[in-house]
Amino acid sequence: GESVGLHLPTLSVQEGDNSIINCAYSNSASDYFIWYKQESGKGPQFIIDIRSNMDKRQGQRVTVLLNKTVKHLSLQIAATQPGDSAVYFCAEWSGGYNKLIFGAGTRLAVHP
Amino acid sequence: ETGVTQTPRHLVMGMTNKKSLKCEQHLGHNAMYWYKQSAKKPLELMFVYNFKEQTENNSVPSRFSPECPNSSHLFLHLHTLQPEDSALYLCASSQDRRDVSGNTIYFGEGSWLTVV
Repeated sequence: GESVGLHLPTLSVQEGDNSIINCAYSNSASDYFIWYKQESGKGPQFIIDIRSNMDKRQGQRVTVLLNKTVKHLSLQIAATQPGDSAVYFCAEWSGGYNKLIFGAGTRLAVHP
Repeated sequence: ETGVTQTPRHLVMGMTNKKSLKCEQHLGHNAMYWYKQSAKKPLELMFVYNFKEQTENNSVPSRFSPECPNSSHLFLHLHTLQPEDSALYLCASSQDRRDVSGNTIYFGEGSWLTVV
């Protein structure tokens, strides 16, 4: 399939292992955060979100952790599967700029 | 199925051509967006419409002209593009740009544009 082709940091994991993808955000006033997954040849797909009044939120096989002290966001994927291979983007809602600001992304490669 | 449909999925056009990208959202949202994603840069916001009114133009060249006839449809008219405009153009929508909780943006599958 087609891909955008950016030179992104890559996280390689074995199938079945847990994955942790990290993101540093820029604005301490940001109050809403989202993780997106983009598979090759497709648009970004919403995975999970978290508000700034929370430090953890769980979904199906995914957990997002927010550390506002160091402006850090992480996405944990349990029992990683080949179908999880994709580029993962974090995004922060910056009220001051009134827009969603995307990170550059991390490529997750899952090996059998 | 994301609820945001883009056509065409692939487009090849010459630098003197005029073409349009179309986007339709079936989510009942009030805000629609055009993003550009290229090999050299991450997601770049181009235009924002909220309740059919353009609220943001991110210094986009005039060879890109958006049109939003209603809250469900968004077009991007293309005219005299350059090869460096070749990219994936993503349409997206959200409930309402003004409310934090409604600011999850849902994307279409994108239109791959190649300018020759």
